[in-house]
Amino acid sequence: AQKVTQAQTEISVVEKEDVTLDCVYETRDTTYYLFWYKQPPSGELVFLIRRNSFDEQNEISGRYSWNFQKSTSSFNFTITASQVVDSAVYFCALSVEYNNNDMRFGAGTRLTVKP
Amino acid sequence: GAGVSQSPRYKVAKRGQDVALRCDPISGHVSLFWYQQALGQGPEFLTYFQNEAQLDKSGLPSDRFFAERPEGSVSTLKIQRTQQEDSAVYLCATPLSGTATGELFFGEGSRLTVL
Repeated sequence: AQKVTQAQTEISVVEKEDVTLDCVYETRDTTYYLFWYKQPPSGELVFLIRRNSFDEQNEISGRYSWNFQKSTSSFNFTITASQVVDSAVYFCALSVEYNNNDMRFGAGTRLTVKP
Repeated sequence: GAGVSQSPRYKVAKRGQDVALRCDPISGHVSLFWYQQALGQGPEFLTYFQNEAQLDKSGLPSDRFFAERPEGSVSTLKIQRTQQEDSAVYLCATPLSGTATGELFFGEGSRLTVL
């Protein structure tokens, strides 16, 4: 069975600080996909990134970066120089190739960035 | 439409009432997912359609939950004899790729409160 754990329930930082959101996943499948979604107060989940299990290259997109490590089953998300607009709930998610209707989400991490 | 549209955004129901939640997906997206998001939790899979066919309903919590998509476009999630534990945000999502292995486009959700 697939499982995603986001151990940090809430994080609060001051603007311009860097912050890392942790994600640990479990699956026995060799082909799987990892995601991060942002849920602002409006409620709509917004896609941030997708990685497949065969691509462990870290990715950077502006102030966002992702560190995928299969050895520790982790897919952590770092926001550099955080801004107030980054305040939201962030979800890590996992889907597997063999059962591609089932995307499992973590419980989410609520990030508050204070001015 | 340009995005996934859900209605109503908010619904308050008395315990025992029936409710119907509507999802109008992105035009041309053949697949459609329903998720339930309890307070402080990540979205949990309810059911999946490909066109008008309901291919997976394993996540529906009870036989009081029923979903349909008769013409392969708009979908309705119906909850009969609502209970307090049904209070949650119900999210509709459509994938660009047709499965949950790719990016999902989410609606803003329908927040159901059962008194």
